Amino acid sequence: DQQVKQNSPSLSVQEGRISILNCDYTNSMFDYFLWYKKYPAEGPTFLISISSIKDKNEDGRFTVFLNKSAKHLSLHIVPSQPGDSAVYFCAARFGNEKLTFGTGTRLTIIP
Amino acid sequence: DVKVTQSSRYLVKRTGEKVFLECVQDMDHENMFWYRQDPGLGLRLIYFSYDVKMKEKGDIPEGYSVSREKKERFSLILESASTNQTSMYLCASSLGGQLKREYFGPGTRLLVL
Repeated sequence: DQQVKQNSPSLSVQEGRISILNCDYTNSMFDYFLWYKKYPAEGPTFLISISSIKDKNEDGRFTVFLNKSAKHLSLHIVPSQPGDSAVYFCAARFGNEKLTFGTGTRLTIIP
Repeated sequence: DVKVTQSSRYLVKRTGEKVFLECVQDMDHENMFWYRQDPGLGLRLIYFSYDVKMKEKGDIPEGYSVSREKKERFSLILESASTNQTSMYLCASSLGGQLKREYFGPGTRLLVL
């Protein structure tokens, strides 16, 4: 039972354009959401997070949007840069419980 | 900066061998986790620990055990390695609290022949 889903296994975007990565969840109890970025042969690194009391959080080129009614989360990267090419995982948590991860989206930025 | 280190980056073992994967964190984090990452399956939680001597099963604990004798160290043990345990193993640690985030180690790529 996949509670956090990333339905696009891969995404290609032209350098300088906007990258939009999507994530859907089924558990309405989730109240904290995170995005991680992973390069090959490295561990995931934290990118940005959002609490369920907000609908948007920005950090530089990265913005996360939360639509609780649709149980949908998205990460916007603008402008996209070659160094953004990586696998992106969304993750969700309820209270102090463990994180539940999605299956990941491989983002490729085309120069 | 938080540092999570894993004892090996690459390991090759034979079926039936006992395998130890070690993880150490240097930030006095209460929580430690072991995940495995497989293509198309994302990160799946094997075991986690909220304190020394404590352990909790994650989503896929079968074939694994763990040990946490010291706060900074969390070991994953494959009692009898099998080929379906070939994977990338990732250790993580975090503070307690709701808004915590996990810090990951670099991963160990294990190949079981």
